Amino acid sequence: QITLKESGPTLVKPTQTLTLTCTFSGFSLTSNGVGVGWIRQPPGKALEWLALIYWNDDKLYSPSLNSRLTITKDTSKNQVVLTMTNMDPVDTATYYCAHRRGYCTNANCYSNWFDHWGQGTLITVSS
Amino acid sequence: DIQMTQSPSSLSASVGDRVTITCRASQSISGFLNWYRQKPGKAPESLIYAASSLESGVPSRFSGSGSGTDFTLTISNLQPEDFATYFCQQSYSMPLTFGGGTKVEIK
Repeated sequence: QITLKESGPTLVKPTQTLTLTCTFSGFSLTSNGVGVGWIRQPPGKALEWLALIYWNDDKLYSPSLNSRLTITKDTSKNQVVLTMTNMDPVDTATYYCAHRRGYCTNANCYSNWFDHWGQGTLITVSS
Repeated sequence: DIQMTQSPSSLSASVGDRVTITCRASQSISGFLNWYRQKPGKAPESLIYAASSLESGVPSRFSGSGSGTDFTLTISNLQPEDFATYFCQQSYSMPLTFGGGTKVEIK
């Protein structure tokens, strides 16, 4: 059974750096094709994909947030960490981590979607 | 980036109804289209991937179709737990992008 859970602060001040941890079970981030992504959702709004890390340590970022995001993994702890710098009130949202599904060839992975999601954590940016 | 447009943004329906939601991509995405259901206050759940493949455990009243730029999600025999918001997501190219959502409300 795959489970994921996000953890981190609930309140962040503008300009601060947000660090979120996704702790998962039921799969290994050392297995071929496996990935974990981060997605956020401002209150009452749509979903926005942020970042994705694969078992081979390849990383992908949303171009609009690329300069502010870093995604890393700790396979010994079954964790994925997302950091977002220079937080602003518009970054107030529920942040989700999710297990990636899709296809991989010897060359690359493609067609990424998310079949298991964490419960999400609401991050408020306010002074 | 590929823009995903859903319609309608909301609809009202009754238990037992058949409901159709449309998702349109700003360019061809072949069949790389996925659907999610999000119940109020909960995380999204994957329903359909690759336009028409049902995720394991998802009831057969959900079905998806389409290719290229136009896709539909159909819910036959709407159940109380289906009153939720539905999102489409393209997985053809990065960055991954989602539609704006369709809220299905009780009539």
